[in-house]
Amino acid sequence: GQQLNQSPQSMFIQEGEDVSMNCTSSSIFNTWLWYKQDPGEGPVLLIALYKAGELTSNGRLTAQFGITRKDSFLNISASIPSDVGIYFCAGLSGGSYIPTFGRGTSLIVHP
Amino acid sequence: DAGITQSPRHKVTETGTPVTLRCHQTENHRYMYWYRQDPGHGLRLIHYSYGVKDTDKGEVSDGYSVSRSKTEDFLLTLESATSSQTSVYFCATRHLEETQYFGPGTRLLVL
Repeated sequence: GQQLNQSPQSMFIQEGEDVSMNCTSSSIFNTWLWYKQDPGEGPVLLIALYKAGELTSNGRLTAQFGITRKDSFLNISASIPSDVGIYFCAGLSGGSYIPTFGRGTSLIVHP
Repeated sequence: DAGITQSPRHKVTETGTPVTLRCHQTENHRYMYWYRQDPGHGLRLIHYSYGVKDTDKGEVSDGYSVSRSKTEDFLLTLESATSSQTSVYFCATRHLEETQYFGPGTRLLVL
């Protein structure tokens, strides 16, 4: 089956630092999704990407759909304590009902 | 936000008892999913539905069954709960080519 590798697995950073995480796949996707999960809550969609090369921002978050369609990146600028959580990527193939999820990046921000 | 509610939000039960978790959505989304989330495993798909009375198995379906008699409701049943089914269960919905949305989760403890 499809494999999605998400890295890093965890990050410990100081408030104000920029963060970068990525997902790579062995297969091509038509859609990339990035989610954030706060402790005790369900994942919440942050950014959706639908086109190779697409760069999309949502406030301090920027995500890119890789040109090869096998990878995606999420950057967070000027991190703040409320950025703490687990960030998941997910990929969708054309015609598929089922997203493939990465295992998540756990982000801890020290004030 | 796809108007997804899950009930119960927390449940403690004993090994061998049947358990049913309910997912309810208000947005008339076609696709519905049940995931479990465990440390080190990320989100794993249990079952999904692509329409009323149309369901299929995911990667970890053993010991679980589902039913969807109405568009808005997707039930997950553990026929005879085991300790290995202690987990956090998330329902998700998706409509056509749009992105996937998650419910708030149900924490299940099987003693």
